[in-house]
Amino acid sequence: QVQLQQWGAGLLKPSETLSLTCAVNGESRTGFYWDWIRQPPGKGLEWIGEFNHSATINYNPSLKSRVTMSFDTSKNQFSLKLRSVTAADTAVYYCATWEVATTGTKSQSWGQGTLVTVSS
Amino acid sequence: QSALTQPASVSGSPGQSLTISCTGGSSDVGGSKFVSWYQQHPGKAPKLILYDVSSRPSGVSNRFSGSKSGYTASLTISGLQAEDEAEYYCSSFTTSDTRVFGGGTKLTVL
Repeated sequence: QVQLQQWGAGLLKPSETLSLTCAVNGESRTGFYWDWIRQPPGKGLEWIGEFNHSATINYNPSLKSRVTMSFDTSKNQFSLKLRSVTAADTAVYYCATWEVATTGTKSQSWGQGTLVTVSS
Repeated sequence: QSALTQPASVSGSPGQSLTISCTGGSSDVGGSKFVSWYQQHPGKAPKLILYDVSSRPSGVSNRFSGSKSGYTASLTISGLQAEDEAEYYCSSFTTSDTRVFGGGTKLTVL
């Protein structure tokens, strides 16, 4: 199972751009979805967006106007940018990837999470 | 897209079985075979415990099982143990190729 290591700025001011990167390390069987998910403090999970194996990117409609995801295949890294942040974007941000084993069994690996706080 | 509906909390005694429901609509749970369930302990990242409605990833206890009927998916935990106390989330792929999570259910082991 792959391991994900994520990093990025943890403190932002309103109107700034959130930028996070997630590196995929370890043996990768067949990764076919790469996701960003966030969780505001004390609240539930919110899906932000996803790369799929066809190189298509899908975003949460409520965030689509402010989000850009990208994938650097040479570095095996994928990134998230969220523009014009407000206090409502304060959350732990996770990267995650789905894999499929040769047996057809699926698994999912998650990054360690990055707390991003938006405050003036 | 609206969050899937889960009960806010459930509780059970060790050894019991309990079920957590996850209700959506025709564009998500009702129209998708890609329903997943997650377990999250405080301060930890979520852990996938079921995918494709009822399949378990390698290493996940067979005490966790899943099903779906119409617009409602269900997670059943049998032989409840103290370490099962956690937050549980469902998730569904949608007909718009997006994903949506449930609001989460806090499981308390009495």
